[in-house]
Amino acid sequence: QQQVKQSPQSLIVQKGGISIINCAYENTAFDYFPWYQQFPGKGPALLIAIRPDVSEKKEGRFTISFNKSAKQFSLHIMDSQPGDSATYFCAASFPGNQFYFGTGTSLTVIP
Amino acid sequence: EAQVTQNPRYLITVTGKKLTVTCSQNMNHEYMSWYRQDPGLGLRQIYYSMNVEVTDKGDVPEGYKVSRKEKRNFPLILESPSPNQTSLYFCASSLRTSGGVETQYFGPGTRLLVL
Repeated sequence: QQQVKQSPQSLIVQKGGISIINCAYENTAFDYFPWYQQFPGKGPALLIAIRPDVSEKKEGRFTISFNKSAKQFSLHIMDSQPGDSATYFCAASFPGNQFYFGTGTSLTVIP
Repeated sequence: EAQVTQNPRYLITVTGKKLTVTCSQNMNHEYMSWYRQDPGLGLRQIYYSMNVEVTDKGDVPEGYKVSRKEKRNFPLILESPSPNQTSLYFCASSLRTSGGVETQYFGPGTRLLVL
């Protein structure tokens, strides 16, 4: 059973556009929701993260929107650039280092 | 430089031949984890550790063992590898704060092929 469901599987966006990736979870005991960015041949790297007491967090061009009642959270990449082309993973964790990841979204930003 | 290192980076082995993948971090992090990454399945946590001598099963622990005898090291052991353990493996470490787990730092990955 997938604890965190991520969509879409792949996404193609024009340069300058907005990329949106969505995730949904079931377990309300999750208390930490990070997004990771992964380039080919590299390990994932933390992009931005949010805790459930906050509805939105913004860092530069990256924003997490969090809807606790709907048990959904999303990543918005504003002004998408070709350098943002990568695979993005959402995740959720319980207190104590137990993590569940989404299946990933391959983002391609076309110049 | 703060980092998580894994060795080996690439490994080809045969079914049943015991192997160990090492993981070491130089950031004095309490938390460490092992993940496997498979196409279409994302990353799945195999085992995690919250401190020395404290380890727990993740989502897919079958066929794997770990140990945490020192804070900096967290080796992954495959006692009798099988072809379904062919995968890309990542080690990660993170700091524990009063707010809970913080940023996970991932190693570069170990690509394992079991014939």
